[in-house]
Amino acid sequence: GNSVTQMEGPVTLSEEAFLTINCTYTATGYPSLFWYVQYPGEGLQLLLKATKADDKGSNKGFEATYRKETTSFHLEKGSVQVSDSAVYFCALREGGGSQGNLIFGKGTKLSVKP
Amino acid sequence: EPEVTQTPSHQVTQMGQEVILRCVPISNHLYFYWYRQILGQKVEFLVSFYNNEISEKSEIFDDQFSVERPDGSNFTLKIRSTKLEDSAMYFCASSSQDRGKNYGYTFGSGTRLTVV
Repeated sequence: GNSVTQMEGPVTLSEEAFLTINCTYTATGYPSLFWYVQYPGEGLQLLLKATKADDKGSNKGFEATYRKETTSFHLEKGSVQVSDSAVYFCALREGGGSQGNLIFGKGTKLSVKP
Repeated sequence: EPEVTQTPSHQVTQMGQEVILRCVPISNHLYFYWYRQILGQKVEFLVSFYNNEISEKSEIFDDQFSVERPDGSNFTLKIRSTKLEDSAMYFCASSSQDRGKNYGYTFGSGTRLTVV
């Protein structure tokens, strides 16, 4: 079945450090891929998405590229800020007219220290 | 910006008791969902709801669970007889179109259910 695997946390970085959170997926067909973020005390928010191979999603300085050959969708940011501290979830949804719902990874907690 | 509101933010209940988790989806949304996350585990799909009926449910969503949209604004998840393993964060979400066409679920901030 479809699944998402993301790197275990927590990840602790200093401000302005480079961030990578790895995400790989297993899916039949051609899923859409997402990163969601959950700030402390808040709900899940869509951070970025990509709907087909080689698409790059980007938002708030974060980027992720849909790599079909490596079944990956790694999240990157060149210079993190304290305000980026949150839990990040990689997710997929089967594309087209299928019945798929969102399938999430376990989440990776990021803490950014000043 | 429109929000999905969930209440309560935290509920503690005794094993065997019934609980109702409440959600107010975004007003013009038509599709509603419940997901849950057991501590340290993945966020898992429970159920989707459209046009006053369940459109899809997962294996987790057994006879102990039910959903309702009682008054056109609230969307509730009821667990009839809670078990310890029901302890989790429960997320409500809504979308204006089905998951096949709109990628933009809006999630609530969750209800943390603790069964003791």
